[in-house]
Amino acid sequence: DTAVSQTPKYLVTQMGNDKSIKCEQNLGHDTMYWYKQDSKKFLKIMFSYNNKELIINETVPNRFSPKSPDKAHLNLHINSLELGDSAVYFCASSQGGTGDTYEQYFGPGTRLTVT
Amino acid sequence: GENVEQHPSTLSVQEGDSAVIKCTYSDSASNYFPWYKQELGKRPQLIIDIRSNVGEKKDQRIAVTLNKTAKHFSLHITETQPEDSAVYFCRDNDMRFGAGTRLTVKP
Repeated sequence: DTAVSQTPKYLVTQMGNDKSIKCEQNLGHDTMYWYKQDSKKFLKIMFSYNNKELIINETVPNRFSPKSPDKAHLNLHINSLELGDSAVYFCASSQGGTGDTYEQYFGPGTRLTVT
Repeated sequence: GENVEQHPSTLSVQEGDSAVIKCTYSDSASNYFPWYKQELGKRPQLIIDIRSNVGEKKDQRIAVTLNKTAKHFSLHITETQPEDSAVYFCRDNDMRFGAGTRLTVKP
């Protein structure tokens, strides 16, 4: 009965490759997010979708492209991976949209290592 | 950019002491102020939150206070225990997190 799940949990790949991370939530939430957590533990928001519509798109290289096939899924595709992309990527979900006053539920994270 | 500033970045206390972490926000329209705890290798999880219609909220050893005039809110942990050791984050209405505070509770 996992609320927010991500796959894979670990991802090791070489520079220049393309990879995807999948996220699914079974909470019936309207909004989903992607965060990047670097080695200094800073949690930076990347994207947010509300009912499959992009509502937050931070300054992120366009090599990163989110895709939301339905409101329960938000996948992250990364092209031409670089060393600096190495981080833990967290998916999260919540009720509501921007100016959200609801709790966010986080997935377990995907540790991406680019060599 | 960062809309919420969090201090201190690291905090070390002796078991049983109190710990206070403070966040300052910029958007005066903000009305919800959550705190998250992230243990090593785990996901961030909500530990307490407060809405702008109250000034303080308490849950056992954890409390959050809000000063809307000064635009800051603080997390207070009393009678700290080693299992309180973690990174704590505040967050603003725009879903942006503070830089985090690494709390270490020494037994």
